[in-house]
Amino acid sequence: DQQVKQNSPSLSVQEGRISILNCDYTNSMFDYFLWYKKYPAEGPTFLISISSIKDKNEDGRFTVFLNKSAKHLSLHIVPSQPGDSAVYFCAASARYGGSQGNLIFGKGTKLSVKP
Amino acid sequence: ETGVTQTPRHLVMGMTNKKSLKCEQHLGHNAMYWYKQSAKKPLELMFVYSLEERVENNSVPSRFSPECPNSSHLFLHLHTLQPEDSALYLCASSQDLGHTDTQYFGPGTRLTVL
Repeated sequence: DQQVKQNSPSLSVQEGRISILNCDYTNSMFDYFLWYKKYPAEGPTFLISISSIKDKNEDGRFTVFLNKSAKHLSLHIVPSQPGDSAVYFCAASARYGGSQGNLIFGKGTKLSVKP
Repeated sequence: ETGVTQTPRHLVMGMTNKKSLKCEQHLGHNAMYWYKQSAKKPLELMFVYSLEERVENNSVPSRFSPECPNSSHLFLHLHTLQPEDSALYLCASSQDLGHTDTQYFGPGTRLTVL
């Protein structure tokens, strides 16, 4: 049973527009969330994170929103650029619980930004 | 060289072979990880090491054997693998095991078992 779900396997967006990638989780013990970006033939690279004490974290063109009551987070990229085309993974971890500190990943969403 | 490196980048092996994957981190981190990424599946944590001691083994078959000789190096020894073990194997490191410590990944080894 997946604890972190990314229900959209792919997303296509026009350059300059906003990209919104979504992630849902089921484990209420999760209190730290991350987004990773992965280019082909490379490992995932850390993009942005958010603690459960916040509902928004912004870093340049990237903003992550957290809705704890809905167990939902989203990554907004604006404006989207062709270089943003990659697979984006949502991940979560919990301070307490059986595997505290371990990252649980979603399956990823492939973003394509068209010029 | 900086970051997390993995060798080889690609590996093809038969089911009776013995091979090893190598990971090296140049970040001064204390924790290292092995992940498996199969097609259409999320990254799955296999092993966690902290200060060269294994702290987690997520029900991984014994045909996968990790080794952490020091905090900079991590190996994954493979023997008598099955075709379903074909996957991308990723190594990662983090400063410590804290649940907010960012993990930094290597480029992975693409393993094919014939």
